[in-house]
Amino acid sequence: GQNIDQPTEMTATEGAIVQINCTYQTSGFNGLFWYQQHAGEAPTFLSYNVLDGLEEKGRFSSFLSRSKGYSYLLLKELQMKDSASYLCASEYSGAGSYQLTFGKGTKLSVIP
Amino acid sequence: GAVVSQHPSWVICKSGTSVKIECRSLDFQATTMFWYRQFPKQSLMLMATSNEGSKATYEQGVEKDKFLINHASLTLSTLTVTSAHPEDSSFYICSARDIDTEQYFGPGTRLTVT
Repeated sequence: GQNIDQPTEMTATEGAIVQINCTYQTSGFNGLFWYQQHAGEAPTFLSYNVLDGLEEKGRFSSFLSRSKGYSYLLLKELQMKDSASYLCASEYSGAGSYQLTFGKGTKLSVIP
Repeated sequence: GAVVSQHPSWVICKSGTSVKIECRSLDFQATTMFWYRQFPKQSLMLMATSNEGSKATYEQGVEKDKFLINHASLTLSTLTVTSAHPEDSSFYICSARDIDTEQYFGPGTRLTVT
């Protein structure tokens, strides 16, 4: 089975740092994606972790611990435009291809 | 970068009619395409996976006779919602990938059934 948990909502201040956590239980796990989704739009790719450790990409970083089934997305120097939903998705083998199971998303509100 | 398009971007139809949504990969070969559905304030739920030239694999709870998926070429997949009802109103998103790539998402199609 596939199960992903992440907080429903978070609020942070402009310029601050916020960490969004995600835990997963995934059969046939291959890797972990983070996506950003603004209301009414499709998700956009942020990061992909296959190996344990931290991947840094500008203001965004993502961490993975395969043994703990745990990941987090770290957003630095928050900007108002970062207000969006952040989706954690685990990639696993299925139906002849790699598939994604999405968490319910964390709605981040950045306030002045 | 890889681009996936969807058409139409939004559609309103009457209950009982059928609606077809197209998903195209514009600059790569999509050996596999995925169809997702997202209800308001919910996450993306995978409906089906289709490999080019093969029948789609539907997720549990998704009616294959209601949601017809065709993936006849390496750049095009279609989702037809047959005999649509108001409860089918949702945001439908496709994604596509080649053998060694990640999934690239289309912009989504908002379906409203009246």
